[in-house]
Amino acid sequence: AQSVAQPEDQVNVAEGNPLTVKCTYSVSGNPYLFWYVQYPNRGLQFLLKYITGDNLVKGSYGFEAEFNKSQTSFHLKKPSALVSDSALYFCAVRDPNDYKLSFGAGTTVTVRA
Amino acid sequence: EAGVAQSPRYKIIEKRQSVAFWCNPISGHATLYWYQQILGQGPKLLIQFQNNGVVDDSQLPKDRFSAERLKGVDSTLKIQPAKLEDSAVYLCASSFTYRGPHEQYFGPGTRLTVT
Repeated sequence: AQSVAQPEDQVNVAEGNPLTVKCTYSVSGNPYLFWYVQYPNRGLQFLLKYITGDNLVKGSYGFEAEFNKSQTSFHLKKPSALVSDSALYFCAVRDPNDYKLSFGAGTTVTVRA
Repeated sequence: EAGVAQSPRYKIIEKRQSVAFWCNPISGHATLYWYQQILGQGPKLLIQFQNNGVVDDSQLPKDRFSAERLKGVDSTLKIQPAKLEDSAVYLCASSFTYRGPHEQYFGPGTRLTVT
């Protein structure tokens, strides 16, 4: 069975500071990993994904994520946060031998001006 | 490219009533998903279609929920009769196919309130 944990319900940072949203996963094989963002009253928007290869993945809006196989983590990062980055962030995992996408519970990011 | 369309955006019904949600996926996407997102939780897959066939409906409460994608394009999700615990956002998503690492694209969702 596959699962995702997002250990922090909320992350608060000041604008201009680095932003990190944590994600750990459990899957039997080599995972496909995804990050999505959800703004109020909107659907989820795809940010980036890891399939294989380089452990550092770059995505939309200046976000990147680092895959760490030994720690089974896939943390989302942004070097300099913006107020407009305030939203709900979801990590998701998929076992390549399966087709279901499993989502974490989400982390609310608040960036204060 | 047009995104995933859903309607209605909001719906309020009383328990034991019925309700239907509609979804039109991105053109050319073979796979369509319906998710239930309860407040404070991540989306939970209800049913997944590949063209007009069901790939997975193991988490669909079949005694009250039904879904169809008759022509392999748009889809309808129905709840009959609704219960209070069905209050949630119902998200539709689509992807090119379910095989391989294709990302899913989500619609804006339908917020259902059952009173």
